[in-house]
Amino acid sequence: KAGVTQTPRYLIKTRGQQVTLSCSPISGHRSVSWYQQTPGQGLQFLFEYFSETQRNKGNFPGRFSGRQFSNSRSEMNVSTLELGDSALYLCASSLVDRASEAFFGQGTRLTVV
Amino acid sequence: SQKIEQNSEALNIQEGKTATLTCNYTNYSPAYLQWYRQDPGRGPVFLLLIRENEKEKRKERLKVTFDTTLKQSLFHITASQPADSATYLCALDIRSSGDKLTFGTGTRLAVRP
Repeated sequence: KAGVTQTPRYLIKTRGQQVTLSCSPISGHRSVSWYQQTPGQGLQFLFEYFSETQRNKGNFPGRFSGRQFSNSRSEMNVSTLELGDSALYLCASSLVDRASEAFFGQGTRLTVV
Repeated sequence: SQKIEQNSEALNIQEGKTATLTCNYTNYSPAYLQWYRQDPGRGPVFLLLIRENEKEKRKERLKVTFDTTLKQSLFHITASQPADSATYLCALDIRSSGDKLTFGTGTRLAVRP
């Protein structure tokens, strides 16, 4: 069974630009969550999608948005990039039950210059 | 405020010894707690899940305890090996915030030969 796939793996963007990251969950998993990881803050929850609906949202500004498609693939978008957005963005998929384990992708390393 | 605390200092131990990592939380009533391993530049990998009505769980050389009175989980690796060197994260569901999985900042374990 293929794991969670995130693309691209690495990205360099300039301040003010926008970026779209993609996540393909494990086949059969309908829940996709996004996290931002930085050395100082650790893993911070961004949002969770289930059946194309945002089910949960973390404390991030509106510049961070996401969506989920009917095939469960998900994208997250960050507009008007700031230097502080440089981080590892991780996507995790899981089965319907929130008590089940989360399967993470390799992440997308975003650098804003 | 809600907090998940893991020892931010690295834990250095000798190969063959038992490593014990701590996860403390405040102001939560999690239904379950999970432990993950993360290697540099990679996404976290699920290790164990323990529910609020379970005191202890084992998997091979791993053991997790969950004390809801002390609001603490202990993660043990017995007969540790250099390959166990990684960062270990605990994660809790936060029912008051819509069941999102919230992570601690992790503890880095270094096992020396």
